[in-house]
Amino acid sequence: AQTVTQSQPEMSVQEAETVTLSCTYDTSESDYYLFWYKQPPSRQMILVIRQEAYKQQNATENRFSVNFQKAAKSFSLKISDSQLGDAAMYFCAYSSGSRLTFGEGTQLTVNP
Amino acid sequence: GAVVSQHPSRVICKSGTSVKIECRSLDFQATTMFWYRQFPKQSLMLMATSNEGSKATYEQGVEKDKFLINHASLTLSTLTVTSAHPEDSSFYICSARDPRTGARTEAFFGQGTRLTVV
Repeated sequence: AQTVTQSQPEMSVQEAETVTLSCTYDTSESDYYLFWYKQPPSRQMILVIRQEAYKQQNATENRFSVNFQKAAKSFSLKISDSQLGDAAMYFCAYSSGSRLTFGEGTQLTVNP
Repeated sequence: GAVVSQHPSRVICKSGTSVKIECRSLDFQATTMFWYRQFPKQSLMLMATSNEGSKATYEQGVEKDKFLINHASLTLSTLTVTSAHPEDSSFYICSARDPRTGARTEAFFGQGTRLTVV
């Protein structure tokens, strides 16, 4: 069974600084997809970024980028120029079929 | 983009009563929907997979008779918490993927339902 591990229950960052959230996963599949979701206090799940395992190039979405290391099964999220609105719970997720497997989550605090 | 709508957003019910939560896909037909439960500051725990026109698939440890799932149409799945007790109080979230794009795209989530059993 696939597992996703986020080893940082909480992280904090100063506004305008950069922070990296860690995620590792375990799978025997070769074709899969990885996601980072954000859950703000409203608790609505919002997609931040996705990565296809067959692509070597790291995905980027504006201030958000990933460091995907397939051999190491690592998928970290870098948030640049952090903003107050980035404060949320962040979940790493894995998918090889229709269902998602989530990590435990990392609570990100952004300090003004 | 695709939207999943969940209703109600909050519900308070008396112990022993049943509560129904609806999850609708608004602009795509979802043959499969997923129901999650989330405790405060924890991750989403998959409870069951709802399959249109057939029985739901429950995760280990989830009581089928307690959490009834019906997926009667391609745009609607319902979760009924039967004979609710205070320990059933939680945040419930549904999600669905557009079957035309499958695993490579995001799952769309409902707004969630905060259930409080008193």
